Amino acid sequence: DVKVTQSSRYLVKRTGEKVFLECVQDMDHENMFWYRQDPGLGLRLIYFSYDVKMKEKGDIPEGYSVSREKKERFSLILESASTNQTSMYLCASSFPLTQPQHFGDGTRLSIL
Amino acid sequence: AQTVTQSQPEMSVQEAETVTLSCTYDTSESDYYLFWYKQPPSRQMILVIRQEAYKQQNATENRFSVNFQKAAKSFSLKISDSQLGDAAMYFCAYRRNAGNMLTFGGGTRLMVKP
Repeated sequence: DVKVTQSSRYLVKRTGEKVFLECVQDMDHENMFWYRQDPGLGLRLIYFSYDVKMKEKGDIPEGYSVSREKKERFSLILESASTNQTSMYLCASSFPLTQPQHFGDGTRLSIL
Repeated sequence: AQTVTQSQPEMSVQEAETVTLSCTYDTSESDYYLFWYKQPPSRQMILVIRQEAYKQQNATENRFSVNFQKAAKSFSLKISDSQLGDAAMYFCAYRRNAGNMLTFGGGTRLMVKP
């Protein structure tokens, strides 16, 4: 069965800290995605990766970076966390083009 | 840029009855995919149903069906015989045929009353 695993379900960090969110998939998918989910705004794409070491900016990349050193792992990095980055973060993966995305359980991140 | 709008932040339905969730989208593309995802309290997003824009026939999956109106850019989800387990956030999403990225609507919270 398809499995996308996010390393933390809940995370609390302080303003200014460097924060890493990890995502691992076991389906050999080329594509991986990081979304941010906020009430009333749905999911917004932060970054997308279509291969190892390849990435594309999504709709809201400011304040974030990503790393994909191995096919199965896609990390989201908050370089200097700010309170407006408090949110739910969802990772997803898929084969290219026609295949649907499979999602992890999400990380609820609070920046104090 | 594509946009997806869900005009109903919340809906409720009586168990065993039928409910329809609305979704409209804006695109200049002619070939694309539309999706409905369900997010229960457990938080994992689950694909409910998918529609290819080039197909005239509305997609169905058991109790879930869509009403796809391409000219009107409307894509509503109908849930028949609603069950308590259907209570969740529902998100409508759009993807270009040659693209990988999804554009989501703001979501509709569905409550099911016993």
